[in-house]
Amino acid sequence: EAGVAQSPRYKIIEKRQSVAFWCNPISGHATLYWYQQILGQGPKLLIQFQNNGVVDDSQLPKDRFSAERLKGVDSTLKIQPAKLEDSAVYLCASSPYRPDTGELFFGEGSRLTVL
Amino acid sequence: AQSVTQLDSQVPVFEEAPVELRCNYSSSVSVYLFWYVQYPNQGLQLLLKYLSGSTLVKGINGFEAEFNKSQTSFHLRKPSVHISDTAEYFCAVRVTSGTYKYIFGTGTRLKVLA
Repeated sequence: EAGVAQSPRYKIIEKRQSVAFWCNPISGHATLYWYQQILGQGPKLLIQFQNNGVVDDSQLPKDRFSAERLKGVDSTLKIQPAKLEDSAVYLCASSPYRPDTGELFFGEGSRLTVL
Repeated sequence: AQSVTQLDSQVPVFEEAPVELRCNYSSSVSVYLFWYVQYPNQGLQLLLKYLSGSTLVKGINGFEAEFNKSQTSFHLRKPSVHISDTAEYFCAVRVTSGTYKYIFGTGTRLKVLA
């Protein structure tokens, strides 16, 4: 079974530039999550999708961050314009709609450095 | 509001010594509990989970954890660590409130010394 795929793995941009991250969840997983992990901290939920609808985006800085999940499969997270404090690893995770197993399945993450 | 506390940000331990990483949670509802491990430049990998049943849970790589409802704790233990266990460890809870919400602790960096 293929895991959660993310790209790019690394990205370096200057402040005020834009960047986009892509995530393809495990096939059949209805729920998709984007987390932000700042160095030395735990993952913080940015947005949660159920199929192609947003379930929770309460911690997404909507003035600069946007995310979409067209057709309920893969997803894109965009930052525009980027700030220095956006430097972090952006983790994508997925889970079945009513997971009997309980856990999240994570991708390897996209590391963003804003200069 | 639900939260997860990992009191130890760093835990140094010598190889072949036992280790315990502490995790406490606060929740007024039933939770599922997880421990994840993160190696450098990688995503999070599930170590073990507690959903129900036996309070002692065994996971991969010789790790185990004990769910203690009265103390709202889910401490991770390993009787003898290896150099390869050096990594960041995250405790997490899943809360069901309309939908599933996963809350992570701030992590504990385990450093195994030769």
